[in-house]
Amino acid sequence: EPEVTQTPSHQVTQMGQEVILRCVPISNHLYFYWYRQILGQKVEFLVSFYNNEISEKSEIFDDQFSVERPDGSNFTLKIRSTKLEDSAMYFCASSRQGRGTGELFFGEGSRLTVL
Amino acid sequence: DAKTTQPNSMESNEEEPVHLPCNHSTISGTDYIHWYRQLPSQGPEYVIHGLTSNVNNRMASLAIAEDRKSSTLILHRATLRDAAVYYCIPLRGNFGNEKLTFGTGTRLTIIP
Repeated sequence: EPEVTQTPSHQVTQMGQEVILRCVPISNHLYFYWYRQILGQKVEFLVSFYNNEISEKSEIFDDQFSVERPDGSNFTLKIRSTKLEDSAMYFCASSRQGRGTGELFFGEGSRLTVL
Repeated sequence: DAKTTQPNSMESNEEEPVHLPCNHSTISGTDYIHWYRQLPSQGPEYVIHGLTSNVNNRMASLAIAEDRKSSTLILHRATLRDAAVYYCIPLRGNFGNEKLTFGTGTRLTIIP
């Protein structure tokens, strides 16, 4: 069964460093998303991406965050200068359909620890 | 976004049916009702969704009240693998925007 894969599974970084989290969505999917979950808290929407541009982003997704699909297969989330509060599990997801009818397929997540 | 209310936790015995309720009284007429679950240390996983009619798939059934203000996810025969947090999520039918708003969900414990 096709799945969304994420790398790395765990990354430890120093505050102020840049981090890139990578995702390979399911191949025929058109919509891509990043969500995050701080330990013990809710899963939060960060950004949605379609047709090589951001469809919607949350208040969390400030100028420190960026996304891109550099090569038609990978979908990346970059955090330019990490803060302690960026420590969380980051989930990538993809879907084939829009219009609120499609299901999202989530990856296993990348755990980011900022020291 | 429509607000949802779910029990914080529920328990069920293995191999028995489980009914997980959700109230979504402010849901709009075009919102779909999605259910996702999150197993321990994993990403969320789609379970089922519906608009007005009851729905069945290989994982579960979804019973939607006639006024659409509540729904119930039914696991027909719970297994230990069904222990997870279950989220009920109304979702607007916007093009290309599957912005899921997760609440705290219901933590389901399965007793062997």
